[in-house]
Amino acid sequence: AQSVTQLDSQVPVFEEAPVELRCNYSSSVSVYLFWYVQYPNQGLQLLLKYLSGSTLVKGINGFEAEFNKSQTSFHLRKPSVHISDTAEYFCAVSPIKAAGNKLTFGGGTRVLVKP
Amino acid sequence: KAGVTQTPRYLIKTRGQQVTLSCSPISGHRSVSWYQQTPGQGLQFLFEYFSETQRNKGNFPGRFSGRQFSNSRSEMNVSTLELGDSALYLCASSLAGSGGASDTQYFGPGTRLTVL
Repeated sequence: AQSVTQLDSQVPVFEEAPVELRCNYSSSVSVYLFWYVQYPNQGLQLLLKYLSGSTLVKGINGFEAEFNKSQTSFHLRKPSVHISDTAEYFCAVSPIKAAGNKLTFGGGTRVLVKP
Repeated sequence: KAGVTQTPRYLIKTRGQQVTLSCSPISGHRSVSWYQQTPGQGLQFLFEYFSETQRNKGNFPGRFSGRQFSNSRSEMNVSTLELGDSALYLCASSLAGSGGASDTQYFGPGTRLTVL
């Protein structure tokens, strides 16, 4: 079984400041890692995913994440946020050898960007 | 290409009733997954359908069921509704190629179900 912990439920940040959202996971098997964003009254949109290779993954809208296998972490960062980045962010994992899709999500981190 | 569509967007039912939610995946996508989102439990996986067969299942009671049609459209049914079933139900589709678990899932806007 897998579990995902997002260490901050809410993160207030000023516009143009950097932000880091922390994600730790637990799994007895190897997993793929994902970050999704949910804007108000919308579904989820993929920001980035780690499958293999370089541990630094770049995604859309200037976001990047670093996979750390020894710490079982996959933290998301953006060097300079915009008002439009106000949303809820979800970290998720999926077992590599699973047949098909079965995402396990963290509890989410609400990011509020202040002017 | 049109995105994932879900109907209806909002639904109000009373306890004991049943409900059917519909999901149309992105054209060419063969896998459809369903998730329940609530403030208390967060996002939880319900089940995944591929080629009209349930391929993965989460830990939900048998009142929750689904099916997939030959055109990949999917429906989800909840029988004997309980107050705790009030949630946003999200559908996601993916290509479901050989690397299924790594596929990007594309989510619809969800159906907001309120049980009174």
